[in-house]
Amino acid sequence: GQNIDQPTEMTATEGAIVQINCTYQTSGFNGLFWYQQHAGEAPTFLSYNVLDGLEEKGRFSSFLSRSKGYSYLLLKELQMKDSASYLCAVRGGTNAGKSTFGDGTTLTVKP
Amino acid sequence: DAGVTQSPTHLIKTRGQQVTLRCSPKSGHDTVSWYQQALGQGPQFIFQYYEEEERQRGNFPDRFSGHQFPNYSSELNVNALLLGDSALYLCASSLGGWVSGRPDTQYFGPGTRLTVL
Repeated sequence: GQNIDQPTEMTATEGAIVQINCTYQTSGFNGLFWYQQHAGEAPTFLSYNVLDGLEEKGRFSSFLSRSKGYSYLLLKELQMKDSASYLCAVRGGTNAGKSTFGDGTTLTVKP
Repeated sequence: DAGVTQSPTHLIKTRGQQVTLRCSPKSGHDTVSWYQQALGQGPQFIFQYYEEEERQRGNFPDRFSGHQFPNYSSELNVNALLLGDSALYLCASSLGGWVSGRPDTQYFGPGTRLTVL
């Protein structure tokens, strides 16, 4: 099976940098995805990693270490609108099309 | 470019009833996955359809069934509704990941909020 762990809640200040960690245990691996979900809305795709290393997309970066079963999402220059839940999802194992999601990290950005 | 659409937006049913939820994938996408998201939890994978067949299935009972049509749209059916089926049901579409073996990026629709009384 697959197990995804991420912190339940985090708080940060507008303009700051925050790192949201995700650890996973899987029987196979075919990619790790990060999604943002505002309350009452659907998840929106942020980034994905297949190989080890850092992927940068504007204010958002995601890092993956497959040997450690570890990823993080880095958000820079935080804005109030970044207050949302951030979901880590692992794709793969024996079912390449199946995504297993963590329960999300609720980030609150304060002025 | 039309994104993923779902209908209805909200639905209220009583225990024992049956419900059908609908999804139209993003233009150009051929694969549809369904997820159930309970409050405060991440989405749980129900099943995935490609070429009108169920290709993957999560740990959901047979009360949950689905269908994919030739135009790639999809339906999720839930029979004998239970109180615990109350959740946000999300549809996600993607392109050909099943075939390529590469992790395909899934794009989510706005969801259907189902309340079972």
